[in-house]
Amino acid sequence: KQEVTQIPAALSVPEGENLVLNCSFTDSAIYNLQWFRQDPGKGLTSLLLIQSSQREQTSGRLNASLDKSSGRSTLYIAASQPGDSATYLCAAHSGNTGKLIFGQGTTLQVKP
Amino acid sequence: DTAVSQTPKYLVTQMGNDKSIKCEQNLGHDTMYWYKQDSKKFLKIMFSYNNKELIINETVPNRFSPKSPDKAHLNLHINSLELGDSAVYFCASSQPIERGAGETQYFGPGTRLLVL
Repeated sequence: KQEVTQIPAALSVPEGENLVLNCSFTDSAIYNLQWFRQDPGKGLTSLLLIQSSQREQTSGRLNASLDKSSGRSTLYIAASQPGDSATYLCAAHSGNTGKLIFGQGTTLQVKP
Repeated sequence: DTAVSQTPKYLVTQMGNDKSIKCEQNLGHDTMYWYKQDSKKFLKIMFSYNNKELIINETVPNRFSPKSPDKAHLNLHINSLELGDSAVYFCASSQPIERGAGETQYFGPGTRLLVL
């Protein structure tokens, strides 16, 4: 049974700092891994999707990596801004049905 | 242009009532999902439909009944609402799974259900 864990649960950094959010999964037989952002009271916005055959994906200041053998993914945010404050969720696509297994999320606060 | 929309955004109702939440996507996707986010913000899949066919049913009480009238719509009907049903319900859609499992899923804004 796939389980996804995110550490830390909360993170507070000063503006401008580079930071890494961690995600681990128990079953390495994933199809891909997706990172989302959720603002308070809002829905989920897809940030990056890494296919199982890929090792990383980049979008602007965001870089996500995937290491299936160790069951880990990281989301790197460069030069953080107050607008990056949100909850970041990682989710593993488990099996061939498209089912997403979510982690508990990391709530990020970037202080001006 | 709203890709995945849900109505209503907020729903407050009494225990024992029956209610429905509607979801529509204009992305041309064949696969749609319902997720539940509990009070601890944990997201868990409930149902998935591919081309109007149920493919995932995650041990959800049979008081919850999804209905897909066409590929662009997936509605969720809940009978005999209970206090524990209070949560945020998210609809999502993606490309057909037969194209390769694990396409990007796009989420709606959520429906906040409060059962009193």
